[in-house]
Amino acid sequence: GAGVSQSPSNKVTEKGKDVELRCDPISGHTALYWYRQSLGQGLEFLIYFQGNSAPDKSGLPSDRFSAERTGGSVSTLTIQRTQQEDSAVYLCASSSPLQETQYFGPGTRLLVL
Amino acid sequence: AQKITQTQPGMFVQEKEAVTLDCTYDTSDPSYGLFWYKQPSSGEMIFLIYQGSYDQQNATEGRYSLNFQKARKSANLVISASQLGDSAMYFCAMREGIDGATNKLIFGTGTLLAVQP
Repeated sequence: GAGVSQSPSNKVTEKGKDVELRCDPISGHTALYWYRQSLGQGLEFLIYFQGNSAPDKSGLPSDRFSAERTGGSVSTLTIQRTQQEDSAVYLCASSSPLQETQYFGPGTRLLVL
Repeated sequence: AQKITQTQPGMFVQEKEAVTLDCTYDTSDPSYGLFWYKQPSSGEMIFLIYQGSYDQQNATEGRYSLNFQKARKSANLVISASQLGDSAMYFCAMREGIDGATNKLIFGTGTLLAVQP
């Protein structure tokens, strides 16, 4: 596609449920990033993929958070046993091997009740 | 530790005037990249402009220019001839290093710009 796409655009879930967020990067972009944007914490880095491997997972806030990337393309961020503090906008970005610029998707707005 | 500081929580500017949004950064890495992103109320993050630490000239992209003062560790965004559609949150961000071990962006807290007719 022309840009980074994310699904779902909105997700409401109950505390304790698991959720999966999907990111489809720009075609040809080998690097993929997940960030979280919340009122209290601003924009925070979560994890970085180069191809299918994740050299930097330092931003994942707890072991309830995990992510994978398959085929060097689509990535899934999974949050297990969601908590209310997980409510945020989850943003995905990708970049090409030749450029530093990260291009962002529209985000998934997660609300945990 | 790397850090981005945006000291202006909010700014007003009259339509057609220029405005400068401040950004200072802190890093010990000699190689880094600086970015500005725009986030309208719809929520998407729109890339505006990039400056590499070794770039000799200030970056420009249309009405956007980056006033890069390396010794002062500042990377202010200048928007010329403001338009109503420029009203948005603006984030300054930094990426350290070039070895690929991590390419994460560190973001400032943002400046909310309101363009008045």
